[in-house]
Amino acid sequence: AQSVTQLDSHVSVSEGTPVLLRCNYSSSYSPSLFWYVQHPNKGLQLLLKYTSAATLVKGINGFEAEFKKSETSFHLTKPSAHMSDAAEYFCVVTRANTGNQFYFGTGTSLTVIP
Amino acid sequence: NAGVTQTPKFQVLKTGQSMTLQCAQDMNHEYMSWYRQDPGMGLRLIHYSVGAGITDQGEVPNGYNVSRSTTEDFPLRLLSAAPSQTSVYFCASSKNRGETQYFGPGTRLLVL
Repeated sequence: AQSVTQLDSHVSVSEGTPVLLRCNYSSSYSPSLFWYVQHPNKGLQLLLKYTSAATLVKGINGFEAEFKKSETSFHLTKPSAHMSDAAEYFCVVTRANTGNQFYFGTGTSLTVIP
Repeated sequence: NAGVTQTPKFQVLKTGQSMTLQCAQDMNHEYMSWYRQDPGMGLRLIHYSVGAGITDQGEVPNGYNVSRSTTEDFPLRLLSAAPSQTSVYFCASSKNRGETQYFGPGTRLLVL
């Protein structure tokens, strides 16, 4: 079985301060993990993915995430928030290489305060 | 490439009506899937397909049918719409199973 828990439903940060969005996963198999971003009334865009290569994954727009197997976590970070980062963020898990089903977290809404 | 396209963008149905949500991709992807997005629940998988002629159920399949006659198209059918099917529907595709999914822009469905 696989599942994802996003620990915060809403995060607020000031512009220019660091962003931390937390994700814990559960998987009976070696996982592939993804972070997607959804801007209001838009589709989903891939930020980054982990597929059993390097544990520190760099994505678009300055985001990165670290896969920690011992903690079953895949937290998303960014050193300095920008107004354009305000959006909904989803953590997703599937079985590496063969996953038919993708399991989404319930999402974290990020607000950036000017 | 247009990527993943979905039609219509918005639809209003009455309870009991049927309709088909269209999804197409031009990336020659084998894997396609349908999700529904409801407030506070993330995206939940309805049906998926690993190739033409092959479909299977996801987490919330009841009330929906799919078929995959071509690699490009993966329509989702609502046989008898219910208010509980009011949602935003996303289609996605990936080259193969377990790989990065690319999402369409979504269809917003309201069932009265």
